[in-house]
Amino acid sequence: EAQVTQNPRYLITVTGKKLTVTCSQNMNHEYMSWYRQDPGLGLRQIYYSMNVEVTDKGDVPEGYKVSRKEKRNFPLILESPSPNQTSLYFCASSYLPGLSYNEQFFGPGTRLTVL
Amino acid sequence: KQEVTQIPAALSVPEGENLVLNCSFTDSAIYNLQWFRQDPGKGLTSLLLIQSSQREQTSGRLNASLDKSSGRSTLYIAASQPGDSATYLCAVRSIPGYNNNDMRFGAGTRLTVKP
Repeated sequence: EAQVTQNPRYLITVTGKKLTVTCSQNMNHEYMSWYRQDPGLGLRQIYYSMNVEVTDKGDVPEGYKVSRKEKRNFPLILESPSPNQTSLYFCASSYLPGLSYNEQFFGPGTRLTVL
Repeated sequence: KQEVTQIPAALSVPEGENLVLNCSFTDSAIYNLQWFRQDPGKGLTSLLLIQSSQREQTSGRLNASLDKSSGRSTLYIAASQPGDSATYLCAVRSIPGYNNNDMRFGAGTRLTVKP
């Protein structure tokens, strides 16, 4: 089954404790992206990647890191989480825009709480 | 900077009505526009994707149109059902170099269909 998976689905942590949220897709998509969703602010893009070793900032990259060492994986890293990073996080993937039908597929979400 | 606006923010209709949700965007340099559905606390389900060269897409009771020159898209839902109750989001994918972002979402329209 074609899908985007995220782990963990729920995470409660404390300020300053490094964490990684994993994202994996099995559709051989070149493009992957991370978003956060907050009440009243909607979905905002954090980082995206057009291919292996190619990443770029979205609208709200501060406090986050990403890496794309393999095509299927795109982990989101919070080196020193703060309470303002409490949010619902989504990973998504698609084929490259402009080259083919590039519908974005979303993971189920990761609800992060930073105390 | 691409801005995406959805009107109305909330809509309540009786079952069986046909309805239209609106999405507008400020910059026409886009690859595509995608409509999503989101149930409370859940992930995003893709409904329809319209490429920039297309005028409309249909899936079942859903029809999405795109007028790139005027920066508008509509999602038409025919014969609404209580199961259609959800938040509907539109997302615009920009062409690199024209905007300092990749994907931009609207704030969504919260639809309630009453039995």
